[in-house]
Amino acid sequence: EDKVVQSPLSLVVHEGDTVTLNCSYEVTNFRSLLWYKQEKKAPTFLFMLTSSGIEKKSGRLSSILDKKELFSILNITATQTGDSAVYLCAVVEGSNYKLTFGKGTLLTVNP
Amino acid sequence: DGGITQSPKYLFRKEGQNVTLSCEQNLNHDAMYWYRQDPGQGLRLIYYSQIVNDFQKGDIAEGYSVSREKKESFPLTVTSAQKNPTAFYLCAAGERTDTQYFGPGTRLTVL
Repeated sequence: EDKVVQSPLSLVVHEGDTVTLNCSYEVTNFRSLLWYKQEKKAPTFLFMLTSSGIEKKSGRLSSILDKKELFSILNITATQTGDSAVYLCAVVEGSNYKLTFGKGTLLTVNP
Repeated sequence: DGGITQSPKYLFRKEGQNVTLSCEQNLNHDAMYWYRQDPGQGLRLIYYSQIVNDFQKGDIAEGYSVSREKKESFPLTVTSAQKNPTAFYLCAAGERTDTQYFGPGTRLTVL
């Protein structure tokens, strides 16, 4: 059974739309949750979340964590074609610094 | 890519051959990781090393081997025992924190 589940698996929107990507997790000793953006090559780091209810923001991207309900969302406002990518969510549990990834959400932004 | 290099970018292997993928980092990070990514899948951990001369199996270590003789280098050997080696291989490095930074990847194809 997957420990980290992302939804939707794929999403197609038009430029200017706002999107919300979801990541739910089920781990026994949660440490942090990370979001990455992957554009056909190496994933690039977006956010690390450790505390509930504290929004992390970078430009048009923002993310928040709910440790009670065990999920995180990644919001992208005013989407652009350059936002097209796979967005990966990963969870760190325990003290071993291992990341467990979800399958990712493929976002396509059409002009 | 942040100081992590992987080579080669593309690699073709005949069945029954061992191949070694290179990963080098100049970030002075203690921990290094190898992941495998298949189409439509998230990243799965093969091996990781938190310090020189020490490494641990990840979730899918069978058919792979690693070494960590130097802090900056963490080569991965894909052996003939790996039944389905065609995939995108990503190397990452991190300090003893949760954030990992990825190299550009090696795409391995078995002919």
